[in-house]
Order: sequence, then C-alpha cells, then structure tokens
Amino acid sequence: QQQVKQSPQSLIVQKGGISIINCAYENTAFDYFPWYQQFPGKGPALLIAIRPDVSEKKEGRFTISFNKSAKQFSLHIMDSQPGDSATYFCAAKVAGNTGKLIFGQGTTLQVKP
Amino acid sequence: DSGVTQTPKHLITATGQRVTLRCSPRSGDLSVYWYQQSLDQGLQFLIQYYNGEERAKGNILERFSAQQFPDLHSELNLSSLELGDSALYFCASSPKRGTSGDNEQFFGPGTRLTVL
Repeated sequence: QQQVKQSPQSLIVQKGGISIINCAYENTAFDYFPWYQQFPGKGPALLIAIRPDVSEKKEGRFTISFNKSAKQFSLHIMDSQPGDSATYFCAAKVAGNTGKLIFGQGTTLQVKP
Repeated sequence: DSGVTQTPKHLITATGQRVTLRCSPRSGDLSVYWYQQSLDQGLQFLIQYYNGEERAKGNILERFSAQQFPDLHSELNLSSLELGDSALYFCASSPKRGTSGDNEQFFGPGTRLTVL
C-alpha cells in the first residue's frame, strides 16, 4: 500500500525561527512531491513542489530537501512568521498518467510572535 | 482564490439520504479530482476525471459516484449517507496533460457535509 508518513503532528516555533516538517514514503512509484498549506476554512493551496531527480528546491523562505535513497523529503520554512501559522501537508503523486495524490497526515504549525 | 468553485458550501442532511456536490474547474483545466478530508482519515483521494473520462480511482465507496460533464464541471454523488460520511469534500483541477504545470492541483474551497 502506498503511504506517506508525516511528522511532527504539531509544531510551535518562535517568530524568526526555522520550521521543519518531515515526510517519508514507502513506495518508489511516485514522481512528484508537493507541499500544501491549508488555513482554517479554506482549501489546500500549493506551496512548493519537487521532482525526485532534484535534491533541493527553494522558493523564497520555503525550501524542500529531497533524499531519494532514504525516501524522505522535508519542508523548511525560514524566518517563520505568525502568518505562516497553518496546517501543512506533504503529498506524493502516483507515477504515470494520473494525478492521484497521496497525502501525509498534516502538521499544524503555530508561529508565536 | 484558486479559480475552482464548489457548491454548496455547507450541506446538512440525514442518514440514508442522497446529496450531490458540484465543482467547476479553473478555466481551461481538463482534470478534476475529488478528495475527502476528515479528522481521522486526513485528505483522501477519491477519484479523478480527465476530459470527461474516469482516469484514476482511490478509496471511493460504492455508495459514491462521480461524473464529469462536457462543459468539464463535475458532480460527486453520495448516497445512503452514514454518519461517518460527514467530512469536507474538496474538488481540485489541473491543466491539460503535457502543458506546463500539469502536475499542479488547485483546490476549491470545499463543501462541508454534515450527516445527522
């Protein structure tokens, strides 16, 4: 069964600190790894994504690190801000002619002022 | 605003009933996806349609069905509703396969279903 495991379940970070969320997958048949941000009452919004042939991708304060051999990837949020407080989901797209995403369980991030 | 619209925003119904959730994808997107979000199961992929045809299926119950119409809007039908079907149902869309960003899925605001 294809699974994506995410940790921690919740995270509290001080303003200006680094938030790190980790994910691990158990099946190699994935070809795209996005991270989504979700605010209460809203739908998930794509934050940043990476393909498995790239080890790192940075967009502004958000960085994905990808370790193909370990089947792990992580999201780093630099200079975390109170406005970053949300739930973050990692996901993995099943390889092939499908857009099926397998999501992690989510991490609730709280950034304290 | 992702450009994906879903109606209704909230739906309250009773066990055993049938409901229909509607989704309009972003202009030009051919793929529509349905996801269920609940506290215990998280975000679960239900089904994908591409240009009117079913493309992939996930953990969708037999009581649930979906379709995508020629104008590309989609409907998710839930029947014989049970208490456990209470959840947020999201629709997402993505661009035509082979175009830039075709892996990116844009989520709608969701429909909150409450089964009493």
